[in-house]
Amino acid sequence: ILNVEQSPQSLHVQEGDSTNFTCSFPSSNFYALHWYRWETAKSPEALFVMTLNGDEKKKGRISATLNTKEGYSYLYIKGSQPEDSATYLCAFRDNYGQNFVFGPGTRLSVLP
Amino acid sequence: KAGVTQTPRYLIKTRGQQVTLSCSPISGHRSVSWYQQTPGQGLQFLFEYFSETQRNKGNFPGRFSGRQFSNSRSEMNVSTLELGDSALYLCASRAGGGDGNEQFFGPGTRLTVL
Repeated sequence: ILNVEQSPQSLHVQEGDSTNFTCSFPSSNFYALHWYRWETAKSPEALFVMTLNGDEKKKGRISATLNTKEGYSYLYIKGSQPEDSATYLCAFRDNYGQNFVFGPGTRLSVLP
Repeated sequence: KAGVTQTPRYLIKTRGQQVTLSCSPISGHRSVSWYQQTPGQGLQFLFEYFSETQRNKGNFPGRFSGRQFSNSRSEMNVSTLELGDSALYLCASRAGGGDGNEQFFGPGTRLTVL
C-alpha cells in the first residue's frame, strides 16, 4: 500500500504571512505528483501537475517544487490571504498507472 | 464552457440496494475519473475511463463499477450498498489521457446509505 503523507495537518497563519507545506511520497516508480486546493463547499481545484525531478511551478502567489529522488514536494504560498484558506491535497501517481494516492491534506486557515 | 456536472447531487439509499451515479465531463474531455471522499479515508481514487475504456482502477471491491459512453459521459454503479459506502463521490474530467493534463472536478454526489 502506497503511503502519501502531508505535513502539517493544519496551519493557522496571519494575513500577509508566507507559508509552506510538505508532501512526502514513495521515491520509486514515480510518474507524477498533483497538487489541489479544496475549499469548503466547493470542488477540488487543480493547482499543479509535476512530473520531472527539480520541477518548479508557479501560479500567482503559489509555487511548488518537486524532488522525486527523495520523495517530497513543497507547496509555498507567499503573502497569504483569507481566500487562500482551504485544504491543500497532494496526490501521487506511480508509473504503473494503477495507483493514484491522495495525501490526507493540509488545512490552511488564514486569519485577517 | 460548461463545467463538469454530476447527477444526482444527493441520494439516500438503504443497505443492499444498488445505485448509479452520472457524470458529464467538460465538452471535448475524453478522460473521466471517479473518487470517493469519506471522513475516515480521505479522498480515494476509484477508476479512470478514457475513450470508453477503463485505464486505471483503485483498490475497491468489485461492487464498484463504471462505464463510459461514446459521448464521454460516465456512470458509476455501486451494487449491494453497505453503510460504509456513504460518502461524497466526485468525478473529474481532463482533456487527454496524459497525466500532464489538469483535472476539473464536478460538484459531487453525496450518497447516504441507511
